[in-house]
Amino acid sequence: GENVEQHPSTLSVQEGDSAVIKCTYSDSASNYFPWYKQELGKRPQLIIDIRSNVGEKKDQRIAVTLNKTAKHFSLHITETQPEDSAVYFCAAVTGYSTLTFGKGTMLLVSP
Amino acid sequence: GAVVSQHPSRVICKSGTSVKIECRSLDFQATTMFWYRQFPKQSLMLMATSNEGSKATYEQGVEKDKFLINHASLTLSTLTVTSAHPEDSSFYICSARAADRGNNSPLHFGNGTRLTVT
Repeated sequence: GENVEQHPSTLSVQEGDSAVIKCTYSDSASNYFPWYKQELGKRPQLIIDIRSNVGEKKDQRIAVTLNKTAKHFSLHITETQPEDSAVYFCAAVTGYSTLTFGKGTMLLVSP
Repeated sequence: GAVVSQHPSRVICKSGTSVKIECRSLDFQATTMFWYRQFPKQSLMLMATSNEGSKATYEQGVEKDKFLINHASLTLSTLTVTSAHPEDSSFYICSARAADRGNNSPLHFGNGTRLTVT
């Protein structure tokens, strides 16, 4: 089955800095890669996603890049704000819609 | 759009009792719903895939007789934790994808249920 590795597990940045979270996947058949933000005790919220036929996608301060050859994808957050503090999960979808999550990255943005 | 409602949000029960958690897609039909379990500071672990009108598909290591799943309609799936024990205490989250969307479309999550077994 699919295996998704996510790094780092924790990330502390100063407000205004950029944050990068990286994920790798094992199944070359995976073709959809969503990113979720989860605040404490709440449900995961989709923040951005990318499909395997695209190399990069951007939405305001958030961008995701995908390297299919290397089987890795990354989340980039620019101009971080304290409200960006949360746990971020990457995920990969293979075939019959099974979603495999990474272990998560706790992002802390200090004012 | 694409709202998933999950109830209850919190439940405390005694050891040995059963607890039912409901997951509803409010504005779309979902032939497939997914049930996840999340321990504190850990990732979401897929427990089972709920298929409307058929048996659920359980992940390895998940006891199907303990975690009963019923997906009786295109908008409702239920998870029943039977004979709950303290080690079943966890955060349970359901998710769903619109039936008319492909596999490469977002999952929408319920708010989750915090189960505490005393």
